[in-house]
Amino acid sequence: NAGVMQNPRHLVRRRGQEARLRCSPMKGHSHVYWYRQLPEEGLKFMVYLQKENIIDESGMPKERFSAEFPKEGPSILRIQQVVRGDSAAYFCASSLMVSNEKLFFGSGTQLSVL
Amino acid sequence: AQKITQTQPGMFVQEKEAVTLDCTYDTSDPSYGLFWYKQPSSGEMIFLIYQGSYDQQNATEGRYSLNFQKARKSANLVISASQLGDSAMYFCAMDFGNEKLTFGTGTRLTIIP
Repeated sequence: NAGVMQNPRHLVRRRGQEARLRCSPMKGHSHVYWYRQLPEEGLKFMVYLQKENIIDESGMPKERFSAEFPKEGPSILRIQQVVRGDSAAYFCASSLMVSNEKLFFGSGTQLSVL
Repeated sequence: AQKITQTQPGMFVQEKEAVTLDCTYDTSDPSYGLFWYKQPSSGEMIFLIYQGSYDQQNATEGRYSLNFQKARKSANLVISASQLGDSAMYFCAMDFGNEKLTFGTGTRLTIIP
């Protein structure tokens, strides 16, 4: 039973390019969360999705960032026109139920913007 | 305001000793969940232990236990018989019933042989 899978593990982009981060939740999990971790800080909530629906995007920047979790396939966090301040580790987590009691994290994607 | 605080940026502990990592929180909501995660140098977030605000007993998972003092609003993680592999960042986090975790700033634990 594979855990939460994120890819790529490391992503390097130049300013102005697009970054696409993928997350496959644990089998049977329909709740996906994206978090961002800046260096030497804790994780900050970005967005919570269920299949085909965005439930809470209160932590997402209003511009350039979007997330989706289609009926088939992984959840995608998309960052358009990246800037150096987007450099961070992006973590995906999934859960079976609405409660966060069992929230399983992926290994994260380290985004570096040159 | 809902807030979570970890006051120890770093700790050094001798191998085989017990470790207590501090975590305090601030909320007026009576219903919440408390979590501890371990983040080794490889970067992944590993779930360690969970405590619900209405749980009567302190949570335990193997060598990990949570010293939950509701009146003091603290949820300290205790690691018994520390091992070299325990060296990592440790994050306290809370769920305030809104489907998103709020994390503390973390404590970097180093176990000395």
